[in-house]
Amino acid sequence: EVQLVESGGGLVQPGGSLRLSCAASGFTFSNYWIHWVRQAPGKGLVWVSRINSDGSSTSYADSVKGRFTISRDNAKNTLYLQMNSLRAEDTAVYYCARSFATVTLDSWGQGTLVTVSS
Amino acid sequence: QSALTQFASVSGSPGQSITISCTGTSSDVGSYNLVSWFQQHPGKAPKLMIYEGSKRPSGVSNRFSGSKSGNTASLTISGLQAEDEADYYCCSYAGSSTLVFGGGTKLTVL
Repeated sequence: EVQLVESGGGLVQPGGSLRLSCAASGFTFSNYWIHWVRQAPGKGLVWVSRINSDGSSTSYADSVKGRFTISRDNAKNTLYLQMNSLRAEDTAVYYCARSFATVTLDSWGQGTLVTVSS
Repeated sequence: QSALTQFASVSGSPGQSITISCTGTSSDVGSYNLVSWFQQHPGKAPKLMIYEGSKRPSGVSNRFSGSKSGNTASLTISGLQAEDEADYYCCSYAGSSTLVFGGGTKLTVL
């Protein structure tokens, strides 16, 4: 069974940093692109970032470019999202999602909540 | 990276059919046959219902179907059931390995 489990969320002050993790199991992690998608409380889904299967290529939404860094450790079957210079508008549940054919998000984690507040 | 446009809400009675539309631009929906649709129940993770415009993943009811015309994609749900009540999001490839979501449509089954 495909499983994606996010962790690392919590309360952080504006300007602070946080690193999210996404632990994968039940499939060959190194064969898949993985994405981060976020959802602010009561709002819609917003694409954040993606990384290709070997970690050599990344893309970001304009709203997080230069502040967030996506990475992966295929030996540990784990995806990361380093979030710096956090703002109140980054408050959201962050989901990791596996994609096939690079752009179809077929499996999602349960999400981890990040709250940016003083 | 502007969000795709979806109507905020739609409703229908059990057994009826409804269609949810998703309007993008020639840079996303109009350029690629790579629109996905997701169903999200409150407090749950999104679930893939349609991919590549009209394909259904294994296990998804054939009551769900997708189509596209120009810059607008559509999700049709036939034979509405109470469990279909949820939020629905479209998502399109937008070039340069990026994705863009719609704002979501809340489906109410009356």
